[in-house]
Amino acid sequence: QITLKESGPTLVKPTQTLTLTCTFSGFSLSTSGVGVGWIRQPPGKALEWLALIYWDDDKRYSPSLKSRLTITKDTSKNQVVLTMTNMDPVDTATYYCAHSRYYYDSSGYYVGSLGFDYWGQGTLVTVSS
Amino acid sequence: DIVMTQTPLSLSVTPGQPASISCKSSQSLLHSDGKTYLYWYLQKPGQPPQLLIYEVSNRFSGVPDRFSGSGSGTDFTLKISRVEAEDVGVYYCMQSIQLPFMYTFGQGTKLEIK
Repeated sequence: QITLKESGPTLVKPTQTLTLTCTFSGFSLSTSGVGVGWIRQPPGKALEWLALIYWDDDKRYSPSLKSRLTITKDTSKNQVVLTMTNMDPVDTATYYCAHSRYYYDSSGYYVGSLGFDYWGQGTLVTVSS
Repeated sequence: DIVMTQTPLSLSVTPGQPASISCKSSQSLLHSDGKTYLYWYLQKPGQPPQLLIYEVSNRFSGVPDRFSGSGSGTDFTLKISRVEAEDVGVYYCMQSIQLPFMYTFGQGTKLEIK
């Protein structure tokens, strides 16, 4: 059973750095094809993808936020950490982490991607002075 | 950047009736590997999104067969053959083909029950 849980501060001040931790179980981030991503959702608004880290430590970032984001993993702790610098009130949102997985055929060849198939419950982060 | 446009933004459906949501991308989502990386999610009230459909038309594990996805290129559709009360929420399409690599969500379609 795959589960993910986000943790971190609920309130940060403008210009501060946000650090969020995703603690997961039911899978290993050292397994080929597995990744963990971060997606956020401002109150009442749509989803926005932020970053993704793969089993091989390949990292991908939203181009619009790349300069502010860092994603890392600790495979031994089953954790993925996202840092976002220079927080602003517009960054107020629920932040989700989610499991991502490629799938392979019986010969081990890549077949496709399931996208984000399991999500955490999310954590609301408010940016305010 | 690829823009994902969903229509309608909201719909109200009588239980047992069908529903259809369109998702149009500003560029073709056909990848050079021959696959189309288009996904559908449902976000029920107060919950995180849940995966319904992956790669245009594949139902994720446990998703009822009243949900189906179709389309190609830039035009995609999610259909619910017979809406049930538990289907209320906001539906999102998502693409992951764009270079530079990124995922892009549509703006969401809110489904309500009449």
